[in-house]
Amino acid sequence: NAGVMQNPRHLVRRRGQEARLRCSPMKGHSHVYWYRQLPEEGLKFMVYLQKENIIDESGMPKERFSAEFPKEGPSILRIQQVVRGDSAAYFCASSPRSSGISSYEQYFGPGTRLTVT
Amino acid sequence: GENVEQHPSTLSVQEGDSAVIKCTYSDSASNYFPWYKQELGKRPQLIIDIRSNVGEKKDQRIAVTLNKTAKHFSLHITETQPEDSAVYFCAASLDTGRRALTFGSGTRLQVQP
Repeated sequence: NAGVMQNPRHLVRRRGQEARLRCSPMKGHSHVYWYRQLPEEGLKFMVYLQKENIIDESGMPKERFSAEFPKEGPSILRIQQVVRGDSAAYFCASSPRSSGISSYEQYFGPGTRLTVT
Repeated sequence: GENVEQHPSTLSVQEGDSAVIKCTYSDSASNYFPWYKQELGKRPQLIIDIRSNVGEKKDQRIAVTLNKTAKHFSLHITETQPEDSAVYFCAASLDTGRRALTFGSGTRLQVQP
């Protein structure tokens, strides 16, 4: 049973370029969450999505950041016109169906480490 | 919104000793409290969790306690081993609706052999 998959694992972008981070949830999971972790810090919530729906984007910066989880394919976190302050590890997590005893457990992927030069 | 505070930020123990990490939360509506272990450069791993309808949960050497009235919860690791060395994060959320995890700032645990 494959876990949460993320790619790429490492991404280097120059200032002003776009970064696209992909996340495939665990099999059977329909909820995806994105978190950002700055060096030596905890994880900060960004966005919570279900298939074709953004449920909660209260942690997303208002500009340059967007996320989607299409009917087919992985969830994508997109950062336009990256700046040095965007350098961080971006983790995706997934959880199972909407109801049930384990529906709130979130399992994390290996992360994408974004470096902006 | 929810705010989670975690103490201590670093903890060093001798192998075989116990380790305790404490967290407090601010939102009385929070009802789900997971703990994650993160080794350097790796993903956070869910190690134990507790819901607000129970006061204590144990899994082998790891236990979590919850005091809803005081809004704090703790992780207890007994008989620590060098492989327990990692950063531990507590978190709080609702189990329905808005499910975003609010994390504490982490505790770096070092188990000295």
